[in-house]
Amino acid sequence: EVQLVQSGAEVKKPGESLKISCQASGYTFTNDWIGWVRQMPGKGLEYLGIIFPGGSETRYSPSFRGLVTISVDKSTSSTYLQWRSLKASDTAIYYCARHECSGIDCFFKYWGQGTLVTVSA
Amino acid sequence: SFDLAQPPSVSVSPGQAASITCSGDRLGHKYISWYQQRPGQPPVLVIYQDDKRPSGIPERFSGSNSGNTATLTISGAQALDEADYYCHAWDSTTGHVFGSGTSVTLL
Repeated sequence: EVQLVQSGAEVKKPGESLKISCQASGYTFTNDWIGWVRQMPGKGLEYLGIIFPGGSETRYSPSFRGLVTISVDKSTSSTYLQWRSLKASDTAIYYCARHECSGIDCFFKYWGQGTLVTVSA
Repeated sequence: SFDLAQPPSVSVSPGQAASITCSGDRLGHKYISWYQQRPGQPPVLVIYQDDKRPSGIPERFSGSNSGNTATLTISGAQALDEADYYCHAWDSTTGHVFGSGTSVTLL
């Protein structure tokens, strides 16, 4: 059974750094891209980027390039989302999800449970 | 880059059909998927490749895509179908794009 288990909720102050994680199981981790999606309070879904664990190739949404860093640790089948300096506007739920393709159609079928990040002074 | 526009809300009576639209330039040339998100839960894929249902998704969920509009139809809406629904498209240049979301409410 495919599972994506994310790290727990975080409360941080503006300017602090943060790294949240997503550990995959139930499939060959290095075979499929994994992505990150943001959901701000009461708002819709926003795509941040994806990473290929097999080679660490990373693609970012233009809206988030330079604002976050996506990385991977193959030894623990984990993907990470990192901020160097948080802002209050980073307050959101962050989901990891497995990127899958059926022909030329790609989508997120399996999702983590979400990590709530709260940034407040 | 492209945008996917959805109506903010749709209301439906129990047992009736609900249709949620997703509009975008030449959308019929892309594959559309749909996600259901209940409050406090992660999204669930209910339709992919315009009209295919993943295993475990009830038959009352169906999809279509033509011209500039994709549609998710819930036939015989039930209380547990109350949720937010997002359309989605993938483009190798742009990446994943989500629609603005539609809140489905049962009357």
